[in-house]
Amino acid sequence: QITLKESGPTLVKPTQTLTLTCSFSGFSLTSSGVGVGWIRQPPGKALEWLAFIYWDDDKSYRPSLKDRLTITKDTSKNQVVLTMTNMDPVDTGTYYCAHRPEIIMVQGVYHPFDYWGQGALVTVSS
Amino acid sequence: QSVLTQPPSVSGAPGQRVTISCTGSSSNIGTGYDVHWYQQFPGTAPKLLIYGNTNRPSGVPDRFSGSKSGTSASLAIIGLQADDEADYYCQSYDNNLRGAIFGGGTKLTVL
Repeated sequence: QITLKESGPTLVKPTQTLTLTCSFSGFSLTSSGVGVGWIRQPPGKALEWLAFIYWDDDKSYRPSLKDRLTITKDTSKNQVVLTMTNMDPVDTGTYYCAHRPEIIMVQGVYHPFDYWGQGALVTVSS
Repeated sequence: QSVLTQPPSVSGAPGQRVTISCTGSSSNIGTGYDVHWYQQFPGTAPKLLIYGNTNRPSGVPDRFSGSKSGTSASLAIIGLQADDEADYYCQSYDNNLRGAIFGGGTKLTVL
Protein backbone atom coordinates (compact mmCIF):
# COMPACT_ATOMS: atom_id res chain seq x y z
CA GLN A 1 0.00 0.00 0.00
CA ILE A 2 1.46 3.30 -1.11
CA THR A 3 1.14 6.30 1.16
CA LEU A 4 2.66 9.77 1.07
CA LYS A 5 2.52 12.56 3.60
CA GLU A 6 3.69 16.14 3.37
CA SER A 7 5.13 18.01 6.34
CA GLY A 8 6.46 21.49 6.86
CA PRO A 9 5.54 24.92 8.17
CA THR A 10 2.01 26.17 7.82
CA LEU A 11 3.05 29.82 7.87
CA VAL A 12 6.06 31.47 6.28
CA LYS A 13 6.95 35.11 5.93
CA PRO A 14 7.54 36.82 2.60
CA THR A 15 11.13 36.38 1.34
CA GLN A 16 11.65 33.31 3.55
CA THR A 17 12.50 29.86 2.26
CA LEU A 18 9.91 27.09 2.41
CA THR A 19 11.07 23.53 3.05
CA LEU A 20 8.55 20.73 2.61
CA THR A 21 9.20 17.06 3.22
CA CYS A 22 7.32 14.22 1.56
CA SER A 23 7.59 11.01 3.58
CA PHE A 24 6.43 7.93 1.73
CA SER A 25 6.03 4.20 2.11
CA GLY A 26 5.00 1.30 -0.08
CA PHE A 27 7.46 1.98 -2.90
CA SER A 28 11.12 2.66 -3.46
CA LEU A 29 12.57 5.63 -5.27
CA THR A 30 15.34 3.37 -6.48
CA SER A 31 12.94 1.37 -8.66
CA SER A 32 13.34 2.02 -12.37
CA GLY A 33 10.76 4.40 -13.78
CA VAL A 34 9.47 5.69 -10.45
CA GLY A 35 9.24 9.37 -9.63
CA VAL A 36 7.77 11.74 -7.10
CA GLY A 37 6.24 15.04 -8.05
CA TRP A 38 5.22 18.17 -6.19
CA ILE A 39 2.01 19.91 -7.19
CA ARG A 40 0.41 22.93 -5.58
CA GLN A 41 -3.05 24.41 -5.55
CA PRO A 42 -3.78 28.01 -4.59
CA PRO A 43 -7.06 28.44 -2.72
CA GLY A 44 -9.96 27.98 -5.11
CA LYS A 45 -7.67 27.53 -8.11
CA ALA A 46 -6.30 24.80 -10.32
CA LEU A 47 -3.50 22.33 -9.76
CA GLU A 48 -0.01 23.42 -10.81
CA TRP A 49 2.95 21.10 -11.24
CA LEU A 50 6.17 22.28 -9.59
CA ALA A 51 8.88 19.64 -9.77
CA PHE A 52 9.75 16.00 -10.38
CA ILE A 53 12.52 13.78 -9.08
CA TYR A 54 13.13 10.36 -10.58
CA TRP A 55 14.64 7.07 -9.49
CA ASP A 56 17.89 7.91 -11.28
CA ASP A 57 18.08 11.33 -9.55
CA ASP A 58 17.06 13.17 -12.71
CA LYS A 59 15.09 16.29 -11.86
CA SER A 60 12.81 18.71 -13.65
CA TYR A 61 11.25 21.99 -12.58
CA ARG A 62 8.49 24.28 -13.68
CA PRO A 63 10.38 26.77 -15.86
CA SER A 64 8.80 29.87 -14.34
CA LEU A 65 9.88 28.75 -10.85
CA LYS A 66 13.10 26.97 -11.70
CA ASP A 67 15.34 29.55 -10.05
CA ARG A 68 13.47 29.21 -6.75
CA LEU A 69 12.97 25.44 -6.52
CA THR A 70 15.22 22.59 -5.42
CA ILE A 71 14.09 18.97 -5.13
CA THR A 72 16.14 16.25 -3.48
CA LYS A 73 15.62 12.70 -2.29
CA ASP A 74 16.88 10.58 0.57
CA THR A 75 16.22 6.99 -0.39
CA SER A 76 17.41 5.67 2.97
CA LYS A 77 14.68 7.68 4.71
CA ASN A 78 12.07 7.35 1.93
CA GLN A 79 11.76 11.11 1.74
CA VAL A 80 11.67 13.79 -0.93
CA VAL A 81 12.33 17.39 0.02
CA LEU A 82 11.23 20.48 -1.87
CA THR A 83 12.64 23.90 -1.09
CA MET A 84 11.24 27.12 -2.50
CA THR A 85 13.10 30.34 -1.90
CA ASN A 86 11.88 33.92 -1.72
CA MET A 87 8.31 33.06 -0.80
CA ASP A 88 5.56 35.49 -1.72
CA PRO A 89 1.89 35.71 -0.74
CA VAL A 90 0.95 34.41 -4.21
CA ASP A 91 2.67 31.14 -3.23
CA THR A 92 -0.04 30.52 -0.64
CA GLY A 93 -1.79 27.24 -1.24
CA THR A 94 -1.91 23.52 -0.61
CA TYR A 95 1.23 21.65 -1.59
CA TYR A 96 0.92 17.99 -2.56
CA CYS A 97 3.48 15.32 -3.25
CA ALA A 98 2.46 12.43 -5.48
CA HIS A 99 3.81 9.08 -6.65
CA ARG A 100 4.46 8.83 -10.37
CA PRO A 101 4.86 5.24 -11.50
CA GLU A 102 5.74 3.85 -14.88
CA ILE A 103 2.76 1.79 -15.97
CA ILE A 104 3.71 -0.50 -18.84
CA MET A 105 0.82 -1.86 -20.87
CA VAL A 106 0.38 -3.31 -24.34
CA GLN A 107 -1.11 0.00 -25.46
CA GLY A 108 1.70 2.11 -24.13
CA VAL A 109 3.66 3.36 -21.14
CA TYR A 110 1.90 5.77 -18.81
CA HIS A 111 2.99 8.13 -16.05
CA PRO A 112 0.04 9.42 -14.06
CA PHE A 113 0.10 10.63 -10.47
CA ASP A 114 -1.56 7.60 -8.94
CA TYR A 115 -1.15 8.24 -5.21
CA TRP A 116 -1.22 11.63 -3.51
CA GLY A 117 -0.42 12.89 -0.07
CA GLN A 118 -3.11 14.63 1.93
CA GLY A 119 -1.58 18.02 1.19
CA ALA A 120 0.09 20.69 3.29
CA LEU A 121 -1.50 24.12 3.48
CA VAL A 122 1.12 26.84 3.39
CA THR A 123 0.24 30.47 4.02
CA VAL A 124 2.66 33.22 3.13
CA SER A 125 2.05 36.29 5.22
CA SER A 126 3.92 38.76 7.35
CA GLN B 1 -4.24 30.50 -17.38
CA SER B 2 -3.86 26.75 -17.82
CA VAL B 3 -2.21 25.14 -20.83
CA LEU B 4 -5.09 22.66 -21.04
CA THR B 5 -8.54 24.20 -21.41
CA GLN B 6 -11.55 22.76 -19.60
CA PRO B 7 -15.06 24.20 -19.21
CA PRO B 8 -15.34 25.83 -15.77
CA SER B 9 -18.54 23.96 -15.00
CA VAL B 10 -20.90 21.27 -16.24
CA SER B 11 -24.11 19.96 -14.76
CA GLY B 12 -26.55 17.13 -15.17
CA ALA B 13 -29.45 15.43 -13.48
CA PRO B 14 -29.08 12.12 -11.67
CA GLY B 15 -28.91 9.27 -14.15
CA GLN B 16 -27.84 11.47 -17.05
CA ARG B 17 -24.60 11.51 -19.00
CA VAL B 18 -22.13 14.38 -18.96
CA THR B 19 -18.85 14.96 -20.73
CA ILE B 20 -15.94 17.18 -19.78
CA SER B 21 -13.59 18.31 -22.51
CA CYS B 22 -9.88 19.01 -22.24
CA THR B 23 -8.33 20.93 -25.12
CA GLY B 24 -4.59 21.14 -25.61
CA SER B 25 -2.24 21.91 -28.47
CA SER B 26 0.48 20.51 -30.69
CA SER B 27 3.02 20.79 -27.87
CA ASN B 28 1.13 18.48 -25.55
CA ILE B 29 -1.90 16.29 -26.32
CA GLY B 30 -1.51 16.82 -30.05
CA THR B 31 2.02 15.51 -30.08
CA GLY B 32 0.88 12.22 -28.62
CA TYR B 33 1.20 12.68 -24.88
CA ASP B 34 -1.35 10.79 -22.89
CA VAL B 35 -4.09 12.33 -20.77
CA HIS B 36 -4.99 11.46 -17.20
CA TRP B 37 -8.04 12.56 -15.25
CA TYR B 38 -8.45 13.29 -11.54
CA GLN B 39 -11.45 13.76 -9.28
CA GLN B 40 -11.17 16.14 -6.33
CA PHE B 41 -13.66 16.71 -3.54
CA PRO B 42 -13.44 19.92 -1.49
CA GLY B 43 -10.65 19.84 1.05
CA THR B 44 -9.19 16.56 -0.19
CA ALA B 45 -6.37 15.47 -2.45
CA PRO B 46 -7.04 14.62 -6.10
CA LYS B 47 -7.76 10.99 -6.91
CA LEU B 48 -6.69 9.31 -10.15
CA LEU B 49 -9.78 8.52 -12.20
CA ILE B 50 -8.49 7.68 -15.69
CA TYR B 51 -4.91 7.13 -16.85
CA GLY B 52 -3.46 6.72 -20.31
CA ASN B 53 -6.51 8.31 -21.94
CA THR B 54 -8.89 5.38 -21.41
CA ASN B 55 -7.77 3.17 -18.51
CA ARG B 56 -9.50 3.01 -15.15
CA PRO B 57 -7.53 2.22 -11.98
CA SER B 58 -8.87 -0.60 -9.87
CA GLY B 59 -11.92 0.51 -7.93
CA VAL B 60 -13.07 3.25 -10.30
CA PRO B 61 -16.60 2.48 -11.55
CA ASP B 62 -17.07 1.82 -15.25
CA ARG B 63 -19.49 4.75 -15.31
CA PHE B 64 -16.36 6.81 -15.89
CA SER B 65 -14.63 6.62 -19.27
CA GLY B 66 -12.04 8.61 -21.15
CA SER B 67 -11.16 9.25 -24.75
CA LYS B 68 -8.62 11.20 -26.75
CA SER B 69 -8.56 12.51 -30.29
CA GLY B 70 -6.16 14.94 -31.90
CA THR B 71 -5.41 17.78 -29.51
CA SER B 72 -8.31 17.04 -27.15
CA ALA B 73 -9.52 14.52 -24.63
CA SER B 74 -12.83 13.92 -22.90
CA LEU B 75 -14.11 12.42 -19.70
CA ALA B 76 -17.59 10.93 -19.80
CA ILE B 77 -19.69 10.04 -16.79
CA ILE B 78 -22.88 8.05 -17.29
CA GLY B 79 -25.58 7.34 -14.73
CA LEU B 80 -24.77 10.50 -12.79
CA GLN B 81 -24.95 10.18 -9.03
CA ALA B 82 -25.07 12.84 -6.37
CA ASP B 83 -21.66 11.82 -5.05
CA ASP B 84 -20.08 12.47 -8.44
CA GLU B 85 -20.32 16.17 -7.60
CA ALA B 86 -16.68 17.26 -7.50
CA ASP B 87 -13.96 19.05 -9.43
CA TYR B 88 -12.36 17.20 -12.34
CA TYR B 89 -8.91 17.89 -13.78
CA CYS B 90 -7.18 16.63 -16.89
CA GLN B 91 -3.39 16.30 -16.97
CA SER B 92 -0.80 15.66 -19.64
CA TYR B 93 2.78 16.54 -20.48
CA ASP B 94 4.03 19.52 -22.44
CA ASN B 95 7.14 19.81 -24.60
CA ASN B 96 7.53 23.53 -24.01
CA LEU B 97 7.13 23.25 -20.24
CA ARG B 98 9.05 19.99 -20.12
CA GLY B 99 6.78 18.90 -17.35
CA ALA B 100 3.29 18.01 -16.27
CA ILE B 101 0.39 20.28 -17.14
CA PHE B 102 -3.11 20.43 -15.72
CA GLY B 103 -6.35 21.77 -16.99
CA GLY B 104 -8.10 24.58 -15.17
CA GLY B 105 -10.57 22.16 -13.64
CA THR B 106 -14.29 21.60 -14.17
CA LYS B 107 -16.84 21.73 -11.40
CA LEU B 108 -19.52 19.10 -11.87
CA THR B 109 -22.89 19.87 -10.33
CA VAL B 110 -25.51 17.16 -10.02
CA LEU B 111 -28.88 18.89 -10.20
